[in-house]
Amino acid sequence: QQQVKQSPQSLIVQKGGISIINCAYENTAFDYFPWYQQFPGKGPALLIAIRPDVSEKKEGRFTISFNKSAKQFSLHIMDSQPGDSATYFCAASKHSGYSTLTFGKGTMLLVSP
Amino acid sequence: GAGVSQSPSNKVTEKGKDVELRCDPISGHTALYWYRQSLGQGLEFLIYFQGNSAPDKSGLPSDRFSAERTGGSVSTLTIQRTQQEDSAVYLCASSSRDGRNYGYTFGSGTRLTVV
Repeated sequence: QQQVKQSPQSLIVQKGGISIINCAYENTAFDYFPWYQQFPGKGPALLIAIRPDVSEKKEGRFTISFNKSAKQFSLHIMDSQPGDSATYFCAASKHSGYSTLTFGKGTMLLVSP
Repeated sequence: GAGVSQSPSNKVTEKGKDVELRCDPISGHTALYWYRQSLGQGLEFLIYFQGNSAPDKSGLPSDRFSAERTGGSVSTLTIQRTQQEDSAVYLCASSSRDGRNYGYTFGSGTRLTVV
């Protein structure tokens, strides 16, 4: 049972373009939605996160859009750069405190120069 | 330390052997997590330790897998009688009391290859 579905599996974007990665969840108890970025040979690192009380969160070139009714959220990378080439994971967790994260299967992003 | 440290970084073992993977979390982080990353499968939750509470072992795939955390700090993940399907990158992460605001800090992982 995959609780967080992520698409696409891979993505190629030209430098300067917009990269969009989508995730959908099933469990309505989820209330925290982070995105992680992973470079080869490294562990994932927290990029940006959102809670369902807001529909959008922006940090620099990275924006999360959240649609609670559709149970979907997405990551937009504006002005994509070759240095953004990495694997991106969406995740979700429920309630407060120390809750484990459920991850999507990841999206390999390649930004061509 | 400055980050989460995992050792070894790579481990090749023969099928049927036991292996131990070590995780040294960030000092002061009370929560520690083990995940497994297989190609195309994302990150699979294995086990979670929080302070002195009983660990959440709900993600361990079989009784060949076990983990302990000594003194609320270092953790060891043990895989007994390894099988080829155990080949993966094993990631450890830790988080502070407010992990939901600051997220997990992952180590670089141990790449396990069972031959």
